[in-house]
Amino acid sequence: AQRVTQPEKLLSVFKGAPVELKCNYSYSGSPELFWYVQYSRQRLQLLLRHISRESIKGFTADLNKGETSFHLKKPFAQEEDSAMYYCALGRGSARQLTFGSGTQLTVLP
Amino acid sequence: GAVVSQHPSWVICKSGTSVKIECRSLDFQATTMFWYRQFPKQSLMLMATSNEGSKATYEQGVEKDKFLINHASLTLSTLTVTSAHPEDSSFYICSARGDKSNTGELFFGEGSRLTVL
Repeated sequence: AQRVTQPEKLLSVFKGAPVELKCNYSYSGSPELFWYVQYSRQRLQLLLRHISRESIKGFTADLNKGETSFHLKKPFAQEEDSAMYYCALGRGSARQLTFGSGTQLTVLP
Repeated sequence: GAVVSQHPSWVICKSGTSVKIECRSLDFQATTMFWYRQFPKQSLMLMATSNEGSKATYEQGVEKDKFLINHASLTLSTLTVTSAHPEDSSFYICSARGDKSNTGELFFGEGSRLTVL
């Protein structure tokens, strides 16, 4: 069975500090990993996906199959990065998503 | 990006009644729609996958007779919570994808909060 683990429910960093949101997964097939973000009072939206290998809003994430991880990183956090972040695993023919429990990131001024 | 809209955004009903929640893709045709349930301070749990014109595929443990899903058109899917009880109170979220290859981006609705008294 597939599983996504985000060990930190809450994470606070100061503006300008580096931030890393952890995500580990377990899946018997070939994984497709995503990070979704939900800003206050807004809907869930895609931040980035591992197959794109791109940087969005300064965030990057590298799929490490050996460690079964897909940690989200940003070298210099901004206050506007404060949001709920969900790691998700795509599976099945319809690419259904299994979500982690989410990490609430707060960037302090 | 594409827009997915849910209606109603908040509904309160009495125990034993049925409630219908709509999910619409406003500017694209959604070949596949997904319904999730989110309890307070918890993650989104996939309930079912809905393809236009065919029966929904339910996740293990989700009662298909309790949560009726209809995807009658390429822009509309509905979730009906039948004979609702207080334990059905939750936040229900839909998402939609427009490409048949299933590799495209998923777009999420704003969610519908159901409170059963």
